[in-house]
Amino acid sequence: KNEVEQSPQNLTAQEGEFITINCSYSVGISALHWLQQHPGGGIVSLFMLSSGKKKHGRLIATINIQEKHSSLHITASHPRDSAVYICAPLQTSGSRLTFGEGTQLTVNP
Amino acid sequence: EPEVTQTPSHQVTQMGQEVILRCVPISNHLYFYWYRQILGQKVEFLVSFYNNEISEKSEIFDDQFSVERPDGSNFTLKIRSTKLEDSAMYFCASSEQDSINSPLHFGNGTRLTVT
Repeated sequence: KNEVEQSPQNLTAQEGEFITINCSYSVGISALHWLQQHPGGGIVSLFMLSSGKKKHGRLIATINIQEKHSSLHITASHPRDSAVYICAPLQTSGSRLTFGEGTQLTVNP
Repeated sequence: EPEVTQTPSHQVTQMGQEVILRCVPISNHLYFYWYRQILGQKVEFLVSFYNNEISEKSEIFDDQFSVERPDGSNFTLKIRSTKLEDSAMYFCASSEQDSINSPLHFGNGTRLTVT
């Protein structure tokens, strides 16, 4: 079993739809990062959170440490949101991020 | 906005050769990392570096690999005697504080092809 499970693996949406990507992890963590990887390969950090909820523009990230689960939400999705979204927990007492497989999001106009 | 820069963007080398991948982290950052992504697979941690020494390394980071901060700006990953399975995209990242307290900033990667 993978330490980090993301769902869905692939997601196709129409412009304007509300998107949810889920992440479950099995290890103890001190924080969790959400990242975006563009088709060209570049990786951008979206959120880093250790509790509760964070919002940045149309993006919202939540985490439930007790349930070992985090979600990334995109409101009013747009074709430019099309990318791979990756959940990456930071294991307790370490400096390494453990990357999930990623969710390929395609938003159609 | 300051960014992490990596050179070269693409490196082709023959099996058995040594390669050095270069990174210039953001200037006020203190923590440095290398990750890699084999084509079609997820990103994997290689090594983290702080205060001029390795703070953590993965099982992948064996004696074939080494990192160095030769001056105040560059952070390099050396791969000795490259193998076919070293072909991957290598990402450098840096952060102002440790990864519990600050986000990582990634470079655009170096695509290494070993033939």
